[in-house]
Amino acid sequence: EVQLQESGPGLVKPSQSLSLTCSVTGYSITSNYWGWIRKFPGNKMEWMGYISYSGSTSYNPSLKSRISITRDTSKNQFFLQLNSVTTEDTATYYCATRGGDYWGQGVMVTVSS
Amino acid sequence: DVVMTQTPVSLSVSLGGQTSISCRSSQSLVHSDGNTYLYWYLQKPGQSPQLLIYKVSNRFSGVPDRFSGSGSGTDFTLKISRVEPEDLGVYYCYQGTHYPNTFGAGTKLELK
Repeated sequence: EVQLQESGPGLVKPSQSLSLTCSVTGYSITSNYWGWIRKFPGNKMEWMGYISYSGSTSYNPSLKSRISITRDTSKNQFFLQLNSVTTEDTATYYCATRGGDYWGQGVMVTVSS
Repeated sequence: DVVMTQTPVSLSVSLGGQTSISCRSSQSLVHSDGNTYLYWYLQKPGQSPQLLIYKVSNRFSGVPDRFSGSGSGTDFTLKISRVEPEDLGVYYCYQGTHYPNTFGAGTKLELK
C-alpha cells in the first residue's frame, strides 16, 4: 500500500523558512514525480512544484526563488523548503504524486509571530 | 498561467439525483504528446483530495461508474449520477498540461 506522510512544524514566524518532509512507503521516489500542493484558507489550491524520479525539479514561478524541493532516496523522503514566509503562506500543505493518485493527509502550517 | 474556470461554485443535490460540474480552461489542454492532462478530484470534509478522473475521462481505480468525465480542448464536464452521501465535498478540476499546473476554484456539493 502506498502511503505519504507529511511532517514539520505547524507554526512558523514571518521571514523564517518553512521546512516539511514527505515520507513515502510502498513506492520508491526514484520512480514517478513527487510534488507539493497547498490549500489556502477557503478553497483555493496551488501547485507548488515537484521533484522527478531523476531528481530534476519544476517550480511554480509565483514562488520565485523562495522554494526548493529536494530528496533523500536512502530514506525515501522528499522535502519542501519555502523561504521568507509571510502570513500569506498560511495553508495546509500536501505532498502527492504528480497525477494526484496518492496524497498525504496534509499538514496545516500557520505563519504568525 | 492557465486559468481554470469552474462552475458552479456550489451545488445542492438530492440523494439519488444527477448533477454536473463544468470546467473551462483559458487555453487548450492538449499536450504536445497528444494527451489532455485534465483531472478531477474530490475533497471530502477532513480528508485529503482524492483522484476521481484522469486525462479527461478515465476513472481512477475504485471510483464508481456513477462518476464520468468528458470534454476536449478547453471545455470539460464531470457528471455525477445517483448521488450518494459519500459524494459530498468540494470538487476540483486540475490541469497538468501547462506549467504551472493550475486548479479550478472548486465546487461544493451539498445535499438538498
